[in-house]
Amino acid sequence: NAGVTQTPKFHILKTGQSMTLQCAQDMNHGYLSWYRQDPGMGLRRIHYSVAAGITDKGEVPDGYNVSRSNTEDFPLRLESAAPSQTSVYFCASSRGGGGPDTQYFGPGTRLTVL
Amino acid sequence: DQQVKQNSPSLSVQEGRISILNCDYTNSMFDYFLWYKKYPAEGPTFLISISSIKDKNEDGRFTVFLNKSAKHLSLHIVPSQPGDSAVYFCAASFYNTDKLIFGTGTRLQVFP
Repeated sequence: NAGVTQTPKFHILKTGQSMTLQCAQDMNHGYLSWYRQDPGMGLRRIHYSVAAGITDKGEVPDGYNVSRSNTEDFPLRLESAAPSQTSVYFCASSRGGGGPDTQYFGPGTRLTVL
Repeated sequence: DQQVKQNSPSLSVQEGRISILNCDYTNSMFDYFLWYKKYPAEGPTFLISISSIKDKNEDGRFTVFLNKSAKHLSLHIVPSQPGDSAVYFCAASFYNTDKLIFGTGTRLQVFP
């Protein structure tokens, strides 16, 4: 199993451009989340999905959109990038259903918005 | 409002000694606490966890202690090894949810 994969690893965008960050998992997990990691802020959840077709907002959803058409994939879209969205983005998956479930993280995408 | 806090951004420890990483939280409703380890250019990986009904959990060189009255938990690494050098994140979750709330992280450096 590859676990959680993310593409691209790095990307540079100009302000106003759009981009989709890809996330895929092959562990048959139901629960997927997107986080961003910023210096001094820890990891903050952007959006999450408990199952295909169901998505919801996390702590910092503004400027981001998500969709979940199947179990495996959970893309994160930036429609009009801003410099404040410069960050490292992590996708994470877990079995879901609540309780003490461990989340498995992808390797991250480092995004710079100029 | 930071519900989970790691007040020490960095810690430096000699190889073979004990590393103690601390975490404080404000919400007494947290049900579960986890520690994640992160190397540069990699995603965080799960290290150890503890339920709110326990006060200690051990896994090899790693032990997590929970003091509910003080709303404090700590991660002890004994003995510390150079490969333990990483950023450690404390996280908390509520009962019956998958939501994790992370601290800001502590960078541990273990030197020879």
